[in-house]
Amino acid sequence: SQTIHQWPATLVQPVGSPLSLECTVEGTSNPNLYWYRQAAGRGLQLLFYSVGIGQISSEVPQNLSASRPQDRQFILSSKKLLLSDSGFYLCAWKRPISYNEQFFGPGTRLTVL
Amino acid sequence: DAKTTQPTSMDCAEGRAANLPCNHSTISGNEYVYWYRQIHSQGPQYIIHGLKNNETNEMASLIITEDRKSSTLILPHATLRDTAVYYCIGSTGNQFYFGTGTSLTVIP
Repeated sequence: SQTIHQWPATLVQPVGSPLSLECTVEGTSNPNLYWYRQAAGRGLQLLFYSVGIGQISSEVPQNLSASRPQDRQFILSSKKLLLSDSGFYLCAWKRPISYNEQFFGPGTRLTVL
Repeated sequence: DAKTTQPTSMDCAEGRAANLPCNHSTISGNEYVYWYRQIHSQGPQYIIHGLKNNETNEMASLIITEDRKSSTLILPHATLRDTAVYYCIGSTGNQFYFGTGTSLTVIP
């Protein structure tokens, strides 16, 4: 069976500090991978998605970046965090065949102070 | 991807059917209608999806109008555990754009 992991589960960081959130998927190969952010009381915002190693599509220009160094690893980074980066960050995967559903990880709750 | 419109919130009595509407008047011919739900502080959970025909699974039923401009998610016998935010999404299956959804509260 397939599982998706995210870490850390919670994170408190000062403004201006760097960020690295990691997501890994087990039990599948060549998944589509996604990063979403959910600000308090808001809907999910698609940040990045990837259809393969080194292939990243950015949905929203901002101070975040994503990388996919391995087939089942997806990393969200920032060089300098802003207060507005606080939120619930969710990683998701889906099989590359169209119309399949996405499966979400447990999320990382980031608080920038 | 299609823009969807959903009511902000709804209540439903426990044991009754919950009918959650969604308007997607700009949906294109190759976009499916997906429904997800999100229980507080968890990742969204897939419920069901469909293209033209009505669909049913162990969780819910999806009724899509003939013109595909709207759909209704039906939870046949709502329980307290169905309290969540429900998202309706139009997608070709690669990118998914979640709106703010409908906050469903099941009342005992």
